[in-house]
Amino acid sequence: QSVLTQPPSASGTPGQRVTISCSGSSSNIGSNTVNWYQQLPGTAPKLLIYSNNQRPSGVPDRFSGSKSGTSASLAISGLQSEDEADYYCAAWDDSLNGQVFGGGTKLTVL
Amino acid sequence: EVQLVQSGAEVKKPGESLKISCKGSGYSFTSYWIGWVRQMPGKGLEWMGIIYPGDSDTRYSPSFQGQVTISADKSISTAYLQWSSLKASDTAMYYCARHSDVIAAAVFWGQGTLVTVSS
Repeated sequence: QSVLTQPPSASGTPGQRVTISCSGSSSNIGSNTVNWYQQLPGTAPKLLIYSNNQRPSGVPDRFSGSKSGTSASLAISGLQSEDEADYYCAAWDDSLNGQVFGGGTKLTVL
Repeated sequence: EVQLVQSGAEVKKPGESLKISCKGSGYSFTSYWIGWVRQMPGKGLEWMGIIYPGDSDTRYSPSFQGQVTISADKSISTAYLQWSSLKASDTAMYYCARHSDVIAAAVFWGQGTLVTVSS
């Protein structure tokens, strides 16, 4: 059971906008920033969003993040077939004194 | 160019010991934290712990405390993850990643080391 809760799956058609939620608590999302990682099949994770809504260099602006209270969301607009991947949210947890991940959301592009 | 290069795949028997490595290059190795993440077959990411090679300050996830040892040799810019007695349940892919701060995001990742433990 992951500390952060994500839906196990999400789907959309090319061009659509999809959102993936991440729910936590006051000790993690409620008091620290949220990061999002993309993991394509058979590859290492890649940082997609950091500090709630910042994109590293090279990440398309189709990807955006937001946070409100103890929840966060990742939005992907203009969905493309290459976006098919697993997506993980993560944050520092003050109670556990460590990083915690969501269980991951498998995004399927129909 | 920042790179984290991990050691190759390992096949071990239960009860054996193992030490895998993560070599950093293209940056000041002693100025960034190196974290370790486990991914069991078909499962999600789990944070194991993190080390600051500059002074060897190390933090462990409660789930992994006492199960593994994280260390670093700053003279060769290499971080390590080791087990003293492997179990079949340690079979997983292990990733190292660089963090600018202990609570910060992991911007750079190693390619992963697959550890298989089987009798």
